[in-house]
This record gives sequence, structure tokens and C-alpha cells, in this order.
Amino acid sequence: DAGITQSPRYKITETGRQVTLMCHQTWSHSYMFWYRQDLGHGLRLIYYSAAADITDKGEVPDGYVVSRSKTENFPLTLESATRSQTSVYFCASSIWREGNADTQYFGPGTRLTVL
Amino acid sequence: DQQVKQNSPSLSVQEGRISILNCDYTNSMFDYFLWYKKYPAEGPTFLISISSIKDKNEDGRFTVFLNKSAKHLSLHIVPSQPGDSAVYFCAASDPSNTGKLIFGQGTTLQVKP
Repeated sequence: DAGITQSPRYKITETGRQVTLMCHQTWSHSYMFWYRQDLGHGLRLIYYSAAADITDKGEVPDGYVVSRSKTENFPLTLESATRSQTSVYFCASSIWREGNADTQYFGPGTRLTVL
Repeated sequence: DQQVKQNSPSLSVQEGRISILNCDYTNSMFDYFLWYKKYPAEGPTFLISISSIKDKNEDGRFTVFLNKSAKHLSLHIVPSQPGDSAVYFCAASDPSNTGKLIFGQGTTLQVKP
């Protein structure tokens, strides 16, 4: 089924563990994004990617690592999880049109709890 | 520094009445704005957008108004329905053409039957 998917949908881990959240889109969108949603902060950008092998930091990148070897995949890794990284994580994608990315389309989210 | 602000965390409206959600921004270079709607346990979905060359954009029950001089936009929902109960995010497109969106904190709308 076409669209943008995230896995896992729910994850519980412990402080210090490495965790990877997966994001896959079937539209061949050039842009992909990772956000976290926290109460009172809305959606904050962690990392984004304009194309395969091109990534850049967003507003809150500390403690996270991304890679994009293929256009359709954009995994987010928490190298050593901390309690402050307990959050809901959303992946999004958008096309590139006329020099500017268009509307972003979001995945269903991953709820991560760090104990 | 929050460049896009939604100062009302929540709003409660009676079914059939108008819902007005507000959003303020600080960067005068912003020229494209979007509204997203989010239900619990789902990702945000695009609702409506407006370019700075317009002051109004309408799509069915949803209308977005842009006041550039006040750096303010609002989303009107008329008439409101219980299914409209959700979190609404205002966003501005990064004027540096990075493809990024800058989101507000969100407003939770409750439409009572």
C-alpha cells in the first residue's frame, strides 16, 4: 500500500540503549523529515534530508543520528537513549517543486518510552 | 525563540457554531503558511494552506485568513462538527527554501454535540 510508514509504532527501551526508528515512503519524495512531538512544544524538527546522502540538522538534533542511503528510507537512531527522549516521533516527506518543497505528508508516528 | 505561536492551547465550541483558531508569527519573510490537523494516535494531515499573495483561502467549511501587517493568520471552521475535534497546528514554510516547516505549539479543539 502506498504512503509513508513508521516502525515500530510503540517502543519501550531503557536508558543507555541504542534505538532505531524506521521510516519508509513509497512516493519517491525527495525530502524527508523527523519530528518529535511534546506537550507545549508542538512539532520540533530533529533532522531532515533533501535527497539521498544529504542530511542536515533541525532544531533539536542532539542525541540523534540519521542516514539516508536510499530515497525511500530515513532511519532515526538514538545512540544512547535518555529519559528526555521519551516522546512521539513523526516522520514526514515532501516533493521538491519549483525550488521549494511542497506540503509535507506525515507517517502515523512512533511512541517511544525510555525508562 | 518561537517564530510561530499558537497562544491558545485549547478551544471548546458548540456543534454548528464557528471555530476560530489563531496563529501569530514573527518572521516577516514567511510567505507560505499551512494548517495541519491531528487526531490522537495518528500523524498530522494537511488541511489548508495560504500564500502571502492572498489574504484568504477557502476549502469547504475551512477558511484561512492572513493579515500580513499584523503577522497573524486564523483558521475558521464553519459550521463546526464533532469530527473536527483534534489538535490543529499552524506552520510556516522556511523562506530559505530548505523545505522545512516551522510549527506552532498546536491548539486542541473540542466540538461539543
